[in-house]
Amino acid sequence: DIQMTQSPSTLSASVGDRVTITCRASQSISSWLAWYQQRPGKAPKLLIYKASSLESGVPSRFSGSGSGTEFTLTISSLQPDDFASYYCQQYNTYPLAFGGGTQVEIK
Amino acid sequence: EVQVVESGGGLIQPGGSLRLSCAASGFTVSSNHMSWVRQAPGKGLEWVSVVYSGGTTNYADSVKGRFTISRDDSKNTLYLQMNSLRAEDTAVYYCARGLQHFFDYWGQGTLVTVSS
Repeated sequence: DIQMTQSPSTLSASVGDRVTITCRASQSISSWLAWYQQRPGKAPKLLIYKASSLESGVPSRFSGSGSGTEFTLTISSLQPDDFASYYCQQYNTYPLAFGGGTQVEIK
Repeated sequence: EVQVVESGGGLIQPGGSLRLSCAASGFTVSSNHMSWVRQAPGKGLEWVSVVYSGGTTNYADSVKGRFTISRDDSKNTLYLQMNSLRAEDTAVYYCARGLQHFFDYWGQGTLVTVSS
């Protein structure tokens, strides 16, 4: 099974900061990676798929990059709505696997 | 408008059974890969099970042999039959539409609590 490791687990940042979250796969998953945002008490929301494709309606300050085993999610200028948890997910093979999550907190 | 709505959660004793439902609207369940994903309190997301558009199914090792995923095409509804429930199955269970195996639409979730 493929394991997904996210870092950091918690990140403190201010409005306007550039934020980067890393996700590593235990073996190559090509570009079969998605990113989700989850606010407290809410369902996850798709942000990025195929490593770098922005889901319709998602602000352009979100971007994804990477391939193989290393991936990043970048928020170019953090906004108040962006304080939430973020998860990566590999969909190269079953069982599907999520990273452990990154909580973005207000500094 | 695409929507998925879960129901059927609740408090159940260890060893008990529960069936979750996921009613879909705005799309056809049988034309999509439909999954259940769960989240234990304060924890991350865990994929549980999928029924592919072709009808075959797949399960996480943690639930294999205890949970059964199915769909009723006439009702456009997805189900998760959960048997032999354990404390570690306590979680919010989400129904999600799989687009190429990532998830573009999620329900609001239904809480399952396994406790005596």
